[in-house]
Amino acid sequence: SQKIEQNSEALNIQEGKTATLTCNYTNYSPAYLQWYRQDPGRGPVFLLLIRENEKEKRKERLKVTFDTTLKQSLFHITASQPADSATYLCALLNQAGTALIFGKGTTLSVSS
Amino acid sequence: GAVVSQHPSRVICKSGTSVKIECRSLDFQATTMFWYRQFPKQSLMLMATSNEGSKATYEQGVEKDKFLINHASLTLSTLTVTSAHPEDSSFYICSARVVRVGQQETQYFGPGTRLLVL
Repeated sequence: SQKIEQNSEALNIQEGKTATLTCNYTNYSPAYLQWYRQDPGRGPVFLLLIRENEKEKRKERLKVTFDTTLKQSLFHITASQPADSATYLCALLNQAGTALIFGKGTTLSVSS
Repeated sequence: GAVVSQHPSRVICKSGTSVKIECRSLDFQATTMFWYRQFPKQSLMLMATSNEGSKATYEQGVEKDKFLINHASLTLSTLTVTSAHPEDSSFYICSARVVRVGQQETQYFGPGTRLLVL
C-alpha cells in the first residue's frame, strides 16, 4: 500500500533562516504532490501543487521540488518568520485517484 | 477562493448519544466531499468519500453504520456519529474537491469539528 513519510516530526529554526521539510513516498508513482499548512485546531490550507513533470515550483517565499526517481519532495521556506510556525503536511492522490492521503506532518517552529 | 465551513466547531456529548456535523461549500458546488479524522499528532485519516446523490464510499475499517454520511445537495454533506463513545473523540475535518478546467484538482478544507465524548 502507499506510504507517505515526513521524516521530521518537528523542526526548530531561527528567524531569517531557510526551513527545509522532507516528504518521501513508497509503492506509488503519483501524478502530482501537494503541500498544506495546518495551524493548531484548524483544517489544512492548500499551499502548492507540483506535477510529476515539474522539477521545481515557487510561490513567494515557498519552493517545492519533486524528484520522482528518489520518490521525494522537498519543501523550502526562505527568510522564515515566526508566523510561518505551523504543521506542514504533504499529500498525494491515492492510487485509485479518488482521495488525498496525507503524511503525519512536520511541525515547524521559527524563533525570533 | 473556495470556502468550506463546518458546524459545530466544537461539541461535547454524553456516551451513547448521536452527533451530527455539517460541512458546507459556501461559494461553490461540490459533487464530492471527504471526511477525515485526526487524532493528536497524527495524520489526517480519510474516513469516507461523500458523493452528492449517491451512497458514500467508506475506507477500510470505518463502520458505515456508525458514521452515517449524507450528501443531499451540492453544497452540504453531513456526518452523524451514532451512539458515540469516548474513543470517537477526535478532530473531524471535511473537505470539498474543486476541479478547474485545465488544472489539477485541489481540496479545500473546513476548519474542523472537535468532538469530545464523555
